[in-house]
Amino acid sequence: EAGVAQSPRYKIIEKRQSVAFWCNPISGHATLYWYQQILGQGPKLLIQFQNNGVVDDSQLPKDRFSAERLKGVDSTLKIQPAKLEDSAVYLCASSPPGEGGSDTIYFGEGSWLTVV
Amino acid sequence: SQQGEEDPQALSIQEGENATMNCSYKTSINNLQWYRQNSGRGLVHLILIRSNEREKHSGRLRVTLDTSKKSSSLLITASRAADTASYFCAMVTYKYIFGTGTRLKVLA
Repeated sequence: EAGVAQSPRYKIIEKRQSVAFWCNPISGHATLYWYQQILGQGPKLLIQFQNNGVVDDSQLPKDRFSAERLKGVDSTLKIQPAKLEDSAVYLCASSPPGEGGSDTIYFGEGSWLTVV
Repeated sequence: SQQGEEDPQALSIQEGENATMNCSYKTSINNLQWYRQNSGRGLVHLILIRSNEREKHSGRLRVTLDTSKKSSSLLITASRAADTASYFCAMVTYKYIFGTGTRLKVLA
């Protein structure tokens, strides 16, 4: 079974530039998550999709971050304009359909962003 | 912060010793899960304990949950150098909220 795919793995951009990260979840997984992990900290949930609907985006900085999940499969997370404090690993994860929270979630390897 | 707190933040032990890390949280949960993260990698699920369970074992892992104290502990017995990683608890309701993590270093 293929895992959660993310790209690019590494990205360096200047502040005020834009960047986009792509995620392809495990086939059949209805729920998709984007987490931000700053070095030395735990992952922080940015947005959670159930199919192509948003379940939770309360911690997404909507003035600069946006995410979409077209057709309930792939997802894209965009940052525009980037700030220095956005330097982090952006982790995509997915989980199968079922009772909310009853399953484990499966993580991709992450997209490392450095803003200079 | 929505995150749970883990302690210790860092732990260094000798191979063969046991490692214990603790997680405290604030809200009611459906279950609590523990994940492991090797340097530069994504998180990998280790074990899940439901809110009506008190203890669970999986290989060298033992997890306890005390819902009255809103706390959980993860014990790794007979540690190995390959156990060196960061360990995170996840408090699960309809979403997964991760703790701050414990960085474990096992010295050979």
